[in-house]
Parts: sequence; structure tokens; C-alpha cells
Amino acid sequence: GNSVTQMEGPVTLSEEAFLTINCTYTATGYPSLFWYVQYPGEGLQLLLKATKADDKGSNKGFEATYRKETTSFHLEKGSVQVSDSAVYFCALIGRGGSNYKLTFGKGTLLTVNP
Amino acid sequence: EAQVTQNPRYLITVTGKKLTVTCSQNMNHEYMSWYRQDPGLGLRQIYYSMNVEATDKGDVPEGYKVSRKEKRNFPLILESPSPNQTSLYFCASSLGLAGVTDTQYFGPGTRLTVL
Repeated sequence: GNSVTQMEGPVTLSEEAFLTINCTYTATGYPSLFWYVQYPGEGLQLLLKATKADDKGSNKGFEATYRKETTSFHLEKGSVQVSDSAVYFCALIGRGGSNYKLTFGKGTLLTVNP
Repeated sequence: EAQVTQNPRYLITVTGKKLTVTCSQNMNHEYMSWYRQDPGLGLRQIYYSMNVEATDKGDVPEGYKVSRKEKRNFPLILESPSPNQTSLYFCASSLGLAGVTDTQYFGPGTRLTVL
């Protein structure tokens, strides 16, 4: 079956530091890949996505590139802010079938200190 | 405003007392789904629905029921809740017609505690 592995947190950074959260996946075929963010007390919001190999998703200064050869979709941001403190989930939807189920990683808690 | 709403947001109940968590979306989405979020486990799918009167089990359906009588609503029913169903529940929806690249929109979550 499909699975997503992301780096365990928590991750604590100072403001303006560089962020990387690693994510690798296992899936048959070519899944679509997503990063969702969950701010404290809120639901999940789509941060970015990529639907085919070598696609780069980007939003709010975050980027991730779909790497088929390494089955990875690492999240990066050049300069984090306190407002980026949240839980980040890597996820995929596999190709084929009739269920658009998102398979999630376990989440990474990011805390950014001023 | 396009959104997915859930009610209640917080619920404390006792073992065996039937409850329903409602979910409604105003985006005319075909696909709806329920997930539960547990510490260290991430989110896992409970049930999903491809359209009205079309529902199916996800990864962790035991102890739950759903119905889809109208396109906009997808309630989650716990006939006899147990403490292991204490969790944070999310409803999600997506257009469902554009294939597997659809963005899923999530509700704000329902925190359920079963004593």
C-alpha cells in the first residue's frame, strides 16, 4: 500500500532560519504529492502540491520538488517567520482507483522563535 | 465563502451514547471524506463518499457509520461510542471530477472525548 514518511519533530528554529522538512513516499505509479499545514486549533490547509515528476509546488515562500528518482518531496523555506509555527503534513493521493484518499505522514511540529 | 463546516466543534460524551457529527460543504463537491487524527499516527481515513448514496470504507471504519443523502452533507455517526474513539475528527471535500489531483478542503475539526 501507499505510505509517507516524514522527519519526526519537533523542529525548533529561530526567525529567518532555513527550513527543511524531509518527506519520502512509497506508492505504485505516479502519485500526486501535497504538503498541508495545520495552525494551532485549526483544520488542515493545503500549502502546496505537485502532480508529476520534477514539478515544483510553491506557496507563501515554501517550496517542494517532486523527485521521482528519490521518491521524495522535501519542504523548504529560506527564511521562516514566527507565523510559520504549525504542524506540517506530507501526503499523497495514489493513481487509479475510485478513492481520493489522502495518505498522510505523521506530521512535523515546527516552532519558530523570535 | 467556500467552506466545510462541522458541528459540534467539541463534544464530551459517555460510552454507548449515540452521537452524530455533522459535516456540510457549500462548494458542490462530489467527493467527501472523514479522517481521524491521533498523536503519533497522523490522519487516517474512516469513510468516504464519491457522490450521493455512494459511500465506502476507508482504513479505520470500525465503530462508525456514514450517510450521504444530500450532496452537501456527510454526517458521521457513532452508534455506540467507546473510549478508543476519542480523537480529533476532520471532514474533507473535493470536486472529485478532475482525477487524483484534486485539492481537498478540510473542516475545522471536531474534538471528541468519550468517557
